[in-house]
Amino acid sequence: GEDVEQSLFLSVREGDSSVINCTYTDSSSTYLYWYKQEPGAGLQLLTYIFSNMDMKQDQRLTVLLNKKDKHLSLRIADTQTGDSAIYFCAESSGGYNKLIFGAGTRLAVHP
Amino acid sequence: NAGVTQTPKFQVLKTGQSMTLQCAQDMNHEYMSWYRQDPGMGLRLIHYSVGAGITDQGEVPNGYNVSRSTTEDFPLRLLSAAPSQTSVYFCASSYPTGTGRIEAFFGQGTRLTVV
Repeated sequence: GEDVEQSLFLSVREGDSSVINCTYTDSSSTYLYWYKQEPGAGLQLLTYIFSNMDMKQDQRLTVLLNKKDKHLSLRIADTQTGDSAIYFCAESSGGYNKLIFGAGTRLAVHP
Repeated sequence: NAGVTQTPKFQVLKTGQSMTLQCAQDMNHEYMSWYRQDPGMGLRLIHYSVGAGITDQGEVPNGYNVSRSTTEDFPLRLLSAAPSQTSVYFCASSYPTGTGRIEAFFGQGTRLTVV
């Protein structure tokens, strides 16, 4: 079945780069997404990548997709304290509009 | 521009009580979903709807009912609350972009504790 996995916790120093990793099992995934959840808030879409792309860059965010290994990563350059949040990887494979989420990676940024 | 509105934000229930979590969207989206968020387990789909009058079960539907009488509203009912239903509940509305990409919008969540 469909499954999305992420490591649960990442700690980085302010100013360093953060890399959050995700693996998925559904080879028919058409889009993969990164959502951000700040404390006490809902999820907000950060970025997404189409499955036939290898990379997408959006300001400080870089998404890398290795479709062969079903591996997705999110790199945040120059990580700031405001980046502290939970980051969810998700995938969709068309159909009714169904998103499958990973468990979320809690990013802690320290001085 | 309200987006997706969930009420209440917090709720404490006693085991066996029933209640309804409200969700309303003002974007005229056909698709709406309910998720629960538990530590280390991410978001799991409870029920979803592809339009008024049409609902279906997600990954973890037991103990929950839904209905969709209007496009705007998608309430989630807990029939007899159990401690295992202690969680944060998120409602989302979404629409198909025509390319296979999902554009989803989430509410702020309802934190439910069952004692």
